[in-house]
Amino acid sequence: QSALTQPPSVSGSPGQSVTISCTGTSSDVGSYNRVCWYQQPPGTAPKLMIYEVSNRPSGVPDRFSGSKSGNTASLTISGLQAEDEADYYCSSYTRSSTHNYVFGTGTKVTVL
Amino acid sequence: QLQLQESGPGLVKPSETLSLTCSVSGGSISSSNYYWGWIRQSPGRGLEWIGSIYYSGSTFYNPSLQSRVTVSLDTSMNQFSLRLTSVTAADTAVYYCARQRDDFSPEYWGQGTLVTVSS
Repeated sequence: QSALTQPPSVSGSPGQSVTISCTGTSSDVGSYNRVCWYQQPPGTAPKLMIYEVSNRPSGVPDRFSGSKSGNTASLTISGLQAEDEADYYCSSYTRSSTHNYVFGTGTKVTVL
Repeated sequence: QLQLQESGPGLVKPSETLSLTCSVSGGSISSSNYYWGWIRQSPGRGLEWIGSIYYSGSTFYNPSLQSRVTVSLDTSMNQFSLRLTSVTAADTAVYYCARQRDDFSPEYWGQGTLVTVSS
C-alpha cells in the first residue's frame, strides 16, 4: 500500500489562507469518506484536526476545514496564525481483504 | 480525558523481538466500537500503521508487517501490547499507541516512544 501524496511544504503570511492537497487512489481516498488530517508540531504526537473528510473534533478552530474531490482530499487553513506552523499529515482508510490504513507523506506549513 | 502511555525497551538488538505496552487511563479498553492500534514514524518511512485490535479481540495488521506482528489486549490491566519479531534497523522508529474511532481513524495518541534497533 503506497503512501498518500502531499506537497513537501506550503507557506503563507499571517491572516492568509493555505491549502494542502492529499492525493490517493480509487482504493483509498476515492472510495471512502474516512479521510483525516493531523497536525504535528516538532517533538510531539500527531493531533487529530479533521475526521471523515470535513468534521472537526471539539476544540479545533473553525479556521481548519477539509474537503474531497475524487481521489484528492484537501485541508485549508484560513486566517493563518503563527501557532499553525507544524507538519500536517492526511490519512485514509483502505481495504483489500481486511482493514488497512495509509498515511500521507506530510507537509511542512511555514508561517512567514 | 483519555490518556495513553507507551512503555518498553528503547534499544532492541537485530533479529530479536520488540515488545511495547500501552497503558490507558481515563477510559476502558473494553469500551465498545473502538479499535486500539499501533503506529510508527521514522524519517525514512514516515507514518506507518502497524496493526490494531478491536475491543472484541479481533486483530488487523498491515499486510507488509503481518508475518511479524502481534497486538493483544489485557483488559484486567487496561493495557494493550505490541510484539514485532525479527527486527532490523529498518524498524527503528518512534512508536505510538492510539485509540481509533469506529471508522478506524486514530483519534487519541500516546506521546510516543523511540525504539532503536542496534547491536
